[in-house]
Amino acid sequence: KQEVTQIPAALSVPEGENLVLNCSFTDSAIYNLQWFRQDPGKGLTSLLLIQSSQREQTSGRLNASLDKSSGRSTLYIAASQPGDSATYLCAVNAGKSTFGDGTTLTVKP
Amino acid sequence: NAGVTQTPKFQVLKTGQSMTLQCAQDMNHNSMYWYRQDPGMGLRLIYYSASEGTTDKGEVPNGYNVSRLNKREFSLRLESAAPSQTSVYFCASSESFFAVGYEQYFGPGTRLTVT
Repeated sequence: KQEVTQIPAALSVPEGENLVLNCSFTDSAIYNLQWFRQDPGKGLTSLLLIQSSQREQTSGRLNASLDKSSGRSTLYIAASQPGDSATYLCAVNAGKSTFGDGTTLTVKP
Repeated sequence: NAGVTQTPKFQVLKTGQSMTLQCAQDMNHNSMYWYRQDPGMGLRLIYYSASEGTTDKGEVPNGYNVSRLNKREFSLRLESAAPSQTSVYFCASSESFFAVGYEQYFGPGTRLTVT
């Protein structure tokens, strides 16, 4: 059974700091890995999708990497802003998806 | 372009009551999914439909049934609601269940409370 772990569970940083969110998974037989953002009381917004054959994807200040052999992905956020405050979820997709419990990020002005 | 829509947005049920959550997508996607999210946790897959005419159990199917009404619509039914089913329910869709490059798109969620 696939298990997905996100560390840390919560993170608080000052505005402008670069930060890394971690996602680890136990079964490397995946199609892709997707990072989402979730604001309180809202749905999920897709940030980045990395296919199993890819090493990284970039969108603006976000960069996601994937090391399938070690079962790890990271989401790098550059020059964090208060508007980045949200919960970030990773989902490992092998047909069916398995989600981590998320990292709640607070960026202080 | 509405994407994935869900109705209702909020619902309160008494234990033992039944209800159906509706989901529709307008992206011509083949695959659709139902998840639940409990406080402080990630999403857990309840049921999915890899293609029109098929449905399969996910991680937590007990107490639920689904119907893939057509390619656009996928409903989730609670036959006899229990307090343990208090949760936020999300519907999602994707182009294909098996392909590597297709991401999932999510609806806004239904917040269900069972008293």
